Amino acid sequence: NAGVTQTPKFQVLKTGQSMTLQCAQDMNHEYMSWYRQDPGMGLRLIHYSVGAGITDQGEVPNGYNVSRSTTEDFPLRLLSAAPSQTSVYFCASSYSEGQGSLFFGSGTQLSVL
Amino acid sequence: QKEVEQDPGPLSVPEGAIVSLNCTYSNSAFQYFMWYRQYSRKGPELLMYTYSSGNKEDGRFTAQVDKSSKYISLFIRDSQPSDSATYLCAMSTPPTGNQFYFGTGTSLTVIP
Repeated sequence: NAGVTQTPKFQVLKTGQSMTLQCAQDMNHEYMSWYRQDPGMGLRLIHYSVGAGITDQGEVPNGYNVSRSTTEDFPLRLLSAAPSQTSVYFCASSYSEGQGSLFFGSGTQLSVL
Repeated sequence: QKEVEQDPGPLSVPEGAIVSLNCTYSNSAFQYFMWYRQYSRKGPELLMYTYSSGNKEDGRFTAQVDKSSKYISLFIRDSQPSDSATYLCAMSTPPTGNQFYFGTGTSLTVIP
């Protein structure tokens, strides 16, 4: 099993550009989520999904969109990148909401100039 | 007040020492407690997972949960340089909790 796969690993954007961070899991997990990790701030939840077709906002959703058309995939879209979105992004999945443990991808390091 | 509080360290210990890492929390509804290890430039990986109160041991690692004090601990015995990483505590509520709550992480260095 590959677990949780994120692409790309690194990305540099200019302010105003848009992009999509990809996340796929092969564990048949219902729950998927996106976090950003900043120094001193810990992991902050951006958006999450409890199943295909269902998404909801987390703690820091502004400037990001998500969709969940399949159980396996949960892409994160940056609509118009801003320097404040420079961060490390992690996708994580779990068997079900609030239960079990989260499995993380290897992360995407994003810089917005 | 944050849901989960964790001392960021950094913590530096000699090889072979016993390490104690701790988190406190405010939400008495938390039932699932986890410890993650994160190496530099990597994603967090699950180290220990416990449900409700009590102890759990896995090799050199022991996780303790004291729900009455809202306090969880991770002990590392015979620490090794390969244990040098950031350790994150996390917790969640069942069954309708949609979110996992994380500490900010404690940076640990084990000196050979």
